[in-house]
Amino acid sequence: EIVLTQSPGTLSLSPGERATLSCRASQSVSRSYLAWYQQKLGQAPRLLIYGASSRATGIPDRFSGSGSGTDFTLTISRLEPEDFAVYYCQQYGSSAWTFGQGTKVEIK
Amino acid sequence: EVQLEQSGAEVKKPGESLKISCKGSGYSFTSYWIAWVRQMPGKGLEWMGIIYPADSDTTYSPSFQGQVTISVAKSISTAYLQWSSLKASDTAMYYCVRRPGGSYPDYWGQGTLVTVSS
Repeated sequence: EIVLTQSPGTLSLSPGERATLSCRASQSVSRSYLAWYQQKLGQAPRLLIYGASSRATGIPDRFSGSGSGTDFTLTISRLEPEDFAVYYCQQYGSSAWTFGQGTKVEIK
Repeated sequence: EVQLEQSGAEVKKPGESLKISCKGSGYSFTSYWIAWVRQMPGKGLEWMGIIYPADSDTTYSPSFQGQVTISVAKSISTAYLQWSSLKASDTAMYYCVRRPGGSYPDYWGQGTLVTVSS
């Protein structure tokens, strides 16, 4: 099973600042099958990024994904008030999906 | 429009059985994998398993193997997640997720909250 480790656990930032979230895999993620989700309280996760760097439909371009192999990054270029939430990475390249433990982006 | 409509919230006692559902519409149900994901209160997302409705090919996470059963009813485009004997630790939100073969998971159901309490 591929273990995904996200860091930091919590990111305290102000609106307008840049957020950089990391996701490290215990082994190489096949074909960069790595997704990022945003989840707000009481809501289902919302797909932001798939294939490590492709934005899902309707996702603003302030969200970007990068990386390959075992190291992946989600960047939010300028935080908007609605971006404060929990973010998860997920690998779907193996027959067994796994999720990271999440990074909470909170208002400083 | 693609939709995954999950069954409503459940309140059960320990030891009871339960089957929750996820009905797909707006697409060819048998051509897309359906996965189940657990989220315990205040915790992260956990992949439970996945099924291919066309032939019921199923893979379980080792953490959930033997604890739940995933199945489908093709005729009514519905996937199921089933417990034979619930525990308090099964209290969680459960999501179904669609995945096209060889592509990324693209649609999530709204979630079914299961509460197990004596």
